[in-house]
This record gives sequence, C-alpha cells and structure tokens, in this order.
Amino acid sequence: GAGVSQSPRYKVAKRGQDVALRCDPISGHVSLFWYQQALGQGPEFLTYFQNEAQLDKSGLPSDRFFAERPEGSVSTLKIQRTQQEDSAVYLCASSPLAGGLNTGELFFGEGSRLTVL
Amino acid sequence: AQKITQTQPGMFVQEKEAVTLDCTYDTSDQSYGLFWYKQPSSGEMIFLIYQGSYDEQNATEGRYSLNFQKARKSANLVISASQLGDSAMYFCAMSPYSGTYKYIFGTGTRLKVLA
Repeated sequence: GAGVSQSPRYKVAKRGQDVALRCDPISGHVSLFWYQQALGQGPEFLTYFQNEAQLDKSGLPSDRFFAERPEGSVSTLKIQRTQQEDSAVYLCASSPLAGGLNTGELFFGEGSRLTVL
Repeated sequence: AQKITQTQPGMFVQEKEAVTLDCTYDTSDQSYGLFWYKQPSSGEMIFLIYQGSYDEQNATEGRYSLNFQKARKSANLVISASQLGDSAMYFCAMSPYSGTYKYIFGTGTRLKVLA
C-alpha cells in the first residue's frame, strides 16, 4: 500500500486476554518502530527493528510485551495477559533509513486503539 | 536524560493569523535532531519540519518555520496564515543522531483555528 497500515484499528480486550497488533510498513522501508500513546500524552518509544533484527526493545514496559518482524516487513506487537494500564493507542512507524544520522521523517500509521476492560 | 516540554496544552488562533507553538528541550547530546509532527483526529502522525542541532539557519517548510534558539534550548513552531485544516494536536520531538531513532516526544499542544 501507499502508507503504513495497522490493524485492527480498534480492539477491546478483557483483562487477562492476549492481543496481537499488526503493522504493514511502506514497502522497502528498512526501519520499523512501535510507539505507545496514552490518552493526552505524546507517543512513547517501545521498540525498533532494522529489517528483521530487533535492535532496541528498551521501551517495552514489561515482559508481557513482545514484538517481532520475522521477514523484515510486517511486524506484530503482542501483549500477553493484558492489564488496564495497557489501554492506549499503539502507533507503528517506518523509515527507509537505517540508523545513523536521523534527518528524515518517520511515516506513521493511524494506530491501533486498545481498550482493556 | 532527554526531555521535551510543551507548556501550552491548548491554543486558539484566528484563521489567516500566525501562531507560535512553544517547545523546549533538554539533552546532553551535542548532536540531535528536532522535529514537529501534526496529529489530526484521524490519529496519524504527519511530519512537518526538521531542524538539525548544527544547522545555523532556521528550517522552513511552506507555512511552517522552526524558530531554533540553541542557547535557550527552544524549538518553537511558527505556522503562518493559519487554515481551518491546521486544527490538530502538534508534537515536538527530539532524536539523537547516533543510534536508533528513539524519538522523544512532548505532551503536545492542541491547536484550534477559528473561522
């Protein structure tokens, strides 16, 4: 597609359920990022992939959060045993650049809004 | 630690007027990039403008300009000739040059353009 695509756009989960959020980056983009945006806040970094390699996962809030990008394109963010504090918009972004000098923009998807009841 | 501060939770501006959105930052890095993004109600983050820490001239992109004052550690966004479509959340962000693109975002400013 022309832009970054995320699915589902909206997800309601009961506390304790596992969820999986998908990101389709722009074709050929090397870098892929996941951000978490709580209500009324700015996005917070979760993790970064360069192709299939997860180079930085320092922002993942707990071991319940797991991300993968096995073939260097589509990525999935998985949250196990969801908690109410996991309620947020999860943004995916991609870039044609790979590390180093960051003068370029990130291309964001519209996000997946997760509500945990 | 790196930090972005946006002190204006909300701003109003009359259509066709100019508006300045404030952003201050804190970093010990010598090299970094500063960015502004727009987030309409649809949720997508839209890149507006970039300023490198070593750039001597303020960045401009159409109606957007970035008023960069390195000594004060401020990177204010100026929108000229505001349009109704400019109504959105605006985020200031910073990223170091080295390593990964670990953008640090501010809490945002909600701009409302009045007809």
